[in-house]
Amino acid sequence: NAGVTQTPKFQVLKTGQSMTLQCAQDMNHNSMYWYRQDPGMGLRLIYYSASEGTTDKGEVPNGYNVSRLNKREFSLRLESAAPSQTSVYFCASSDGTGNSYEQYFGPGTRLTVT
Amino acid sequence: GQQLNQSPQSMFIQEGEDVSMNCTSSSIFNTWLWYKQDPGEGPVLLIALYKAGELTSNGRLTAQFGITRKDSFLNISASIPSDVGIYFCAGRPAAGNKLTFGGGTRVLVKP
Repeated sequence: NAGVTQTPKFQVLKTGQSMTLQCAQDMNHNSMYWYRQDPGMGLRLIYYSASEGTTDKGEVPNGYNVSRLNKREFSLRLESAAPSQTSVYFCASSDGTGNSYEQYFGPGTRLTVT
Repeated sequence: GQQLNQSPQSMFIQEGEDVSMNCTSSSIFNTWLWYKQDPGEGPVLLIALYKAGELTSNGRLTAQFGITRKDSFLNISASIPSDVGIYFCAGRPAAGNKLTFGGGTRVLVKP
């Protein structure tokens, strides 16, 4: 099992450009999440999907959109990138049922907006 | 919103030492999780706690779910160089799947 995979690993954008970050999990998890991590800080939730077909805003959703394409895949889109969106982006998944709220993370996408 | 205060923000370890860190919240949590993040990688789950008072070990790591449900502690015994990294706590409230993360404790090796 690969767990949670993310593409690309690195990306440089110019202000105003758009891009989509891809995430996939092979653990048959119900819930998926997108976080951003800024230098010296913890993880802040951007959007999450509690189950296939649903998405909800997290703590810092402005400037982002998401799509839960199917149970495996959850993408994050930046429509018009801004320098403030320079960050490391992590995708995570969890079973989200019973006691299984443990989230498992991908390796991250390092995004620089110039 | 909910906030988790993690302390210390950073610490130096010497090989063989025991180290401790903690996480406190103004709100009650039903789940506490501890993660470790190495440079350039995603956080890796170390320990999950589901009951108040629970004490759980994973090798040299031991974590406790505080009785008040507003705090959690992580201890590393007999530290080794590969313990260097950033340790994050995360808490989940009674309802929903979302986690709130602490700011992290950066563990460094004493020069």
